[in-house]
Amino acid sequence: DGGITQSPKYLFRKEGQNVTLSCEQNLNHDAMYWYRQDPGQGLRLIYYSQIVNDFQKGDIAEGYSVSREKKESFPLTVTSAQKNPTAFYLCASSGQSNQPQHFGDGTRLSIL
Amino acid sequence: GENVEQHPSTLSVQEGDSAVIKCTYSDSASNYFPWYKQELGKGPQLIIDIRSNVGEKKDQRIAVTLNKTAKHFSLHITETQPEDSAVYFCAASNPSNYQLIWGAGTKLIIKP
Repeated sequence: DGGITQSPKYLFRKEGQNVTLSCEQNLNHDAMYWYRQDPGQGLRLIYYSQIVNDFQKGDIAEGYSVSREKKESFPLTVTSAQKNPTAFYLCASSGQSNQPQHFGDGTRLSIL
Repeated sequence: GENVEQHPSTLSVQEGDSAVIKCTYSDSASNYFPWYKQELGKGPQLIIDIRSNVGEKKDQRIAVTLNKTAKHFSLHITETQPEDSAVYFCAASNPSNYQLIWGAGTKLIIKP
């Protein structure tokens, strides 16, 4: 089945540690996105990529980094500079930027 | 920039009744308005969307209406069922870069 796979489902981070969240899609979509979701709030855009080897900062990029070396993959690294990383992280993809976005089932990140 | 407000934050309706969720947006140039349903622990799922060249779109029990003059759009669910219980999000497309700006969500509770 075509879709978006996020892993792991749950992740724990220690102080000073970088962690990487995986996002893979087999929908042949050009655009991919990372969102952060906090309780009772809407989704906030961290980074997005419209094409391989290119990505742009979203509204809350500080403390995060991404890469887009392959069309299918858009990993997100939560660095130690992100002081409040506890949240639900969602990855999405779309055929192009103004087309419907399809989401994975998220990764919940917590601090040890 | 674009801002999206969503009301109510919680909506409780009797099974079989209709539910209406409303969103307003600030940028008159916005041209794409999707609605997503999110179940607990899952990613958002697109349920219906509308573009600015139409005023209404319907898919079985779900409909969306758009009033460009007033800059608001609404989700209508008729004959509600227990499986409609979820959090619903509206979004509007930022015309400068096609990125979605999200409402804060509405928790819909269907009472048996």
